[in-house]
Amino acid sequence: DAGVTQSPTHLIKTRGQQVTLRCSPISGHKSVSWYQQVLGQGPQFIFQYYEKEERGRGNFPDRFSARQFPNYSSELNVNALLLGDSALYLCASSLVGGRTEAFFGQGTRLTVV
Amino acid sequence: GENVEQHPSTLSVQEGDSAVIKCTYSDSASNYFPWYKQELGKRPQLIIDIRSNVGEKKDQRIAVTLNKTAKHFSLHITETQPEDSAVYFCAASRSGQAGTALIFGKGTTLSVSS
Repeated sequence: DAGVTQSPTHLIKTRGQQVTLRCSPISGHKSVSWYQQVLGQGPQFIFQYYEKEERGRGNFPDRFSARQFPNYSSELNVNALLLGDSALYLCASSLVGGRTEAFFGQGTRLTVV
Repeated sequence: GENVEQHPSTLSVQEGDSAVIKCTYSDSASNYFPWYKQELGKRPQLIIDIRSNVGEKKDQRIAVTLNKTAKHFSLHITETQPEDSAVYFCAASRSGQAGTALIFGKGTTLSVSS
């Protein structure tokens, strides 16, 4: 079975631009969550999606948005990029209601210049 | 919302010694507490987890304890080896029907010297 896959793996954007990051969960996982990990820090929770609905949101500005598709894949969008948005963006998927381990993708390294 | 504090931020031990990392959480509704190991440039990997209805769990050299009353949980690594050197994160989650969304501590950099 394939694990959680994210694309792209690396990305360089200019301040003010917009970016879309993609995540495909493990087959059978319906819950997807997104995290931002700045160098030297722990991952910070951004969003959780289940059944295409937002089920949780961290303390991030409205420039951050996400959605989940019928096949449970997900996109994270960030508008009006700032230098401080440079980070590793991690996606995790999990089952619901039972075993609750969250499996992480390899991440997308975003650099804003 | 949930807040997770983790200590110490760095920990240096000699090979064969034990290492203990401690975390506290604020949301009494949190019910799932995983520990992740992250090596440089790699994704976090689950090493052990514990649910709120269990007080202790062990897996070979790794153990986790949970005190719900005090809202703290700890990771214990015995007989440390150089390959245990990495950053360790604790996390807390109110895991349920919508899946698992994690609130992480800031991490502990463990260095094991031979």
